[in-house]
Amino acid sequence: DVKVTQSSRYLVKRTGEKVFLECVQDMDHENMFWYRQDPGLGLRLIYFSYDVKMKEKGDIPEGYSVSREKKERFSLILESASTNQTSMYLCASSYFDRANTIYFGEGSWLTVV
Amino acid sequence: EDKVVQSPLSLVVHEGDTVTLNCSYEVTNFRSLLWYKQEKKAPTFLFMLTSSGIEKKSGRLSSILDKKELFSILNITATQTGDSAVYLCAVGQGGKLIFGQGTELSVKP
Repeated sequence: DVKVTQSSRYLVKRTGEKVFLECVQDMDHENMFWYRQDPGLGLRLIYFSYDVKMKEKGDIPEGYSVSREKKERFSLILESASTNQTSMYLCASSYFDRANTIYFGEGSWLTVV
Repeated sequence: EDKVVQSPLSLVVHEGDTVTLNCSYEVTNFRSLLWYKQEKKAPTFLFMLTSSGIEKKSGRLSSILDKKELFSILNITATQTGDSAVYLCAVGQGGKLIFGQGTELSVKP
């Protein structure tokens, strides 16, 4: 079974804190993605990566950064968390150039107070 | 700008009703259109459509794509309370998915 694992399911952080969200996949997928999901807005792409040490901005990269040091791991970093970053964050992975192979993690619910 | 638009954004029906969810898109380098069901957790895959006019069917759910008019519909017949969920439409662009806002379906007993 394909597994995309998000290590933190529920987090509460204070404004200004640095936040790390970790994602690991076991399918040797080239692509990895971080989406954010808010009611009425669907899934919006924050960053994605096609390869190790490679990253591309998605639609809403402001206030976020990412790291991909190993093929199986893609981290989302909030350098200084703000209340408007309270959301559900979904990690996903897929084979290169094959969006229909995408698999999602279970999601990380982040509350910034 | 690439965009995927779903309608309606929310819908309340009673068990046994038939519903139609809509998805229109304007996306460069279109590769495929996908439908997902999401129930308070990760989205689960329903259908992938690449060709116009060919209906995909799975039980009470069916979907079709019109590449000329740039839209797709997802039909659910004889709805059940277990169909209550957010239904997401996404367009594949190479290895990336562009999502619509989702349609929140609530099926009342």
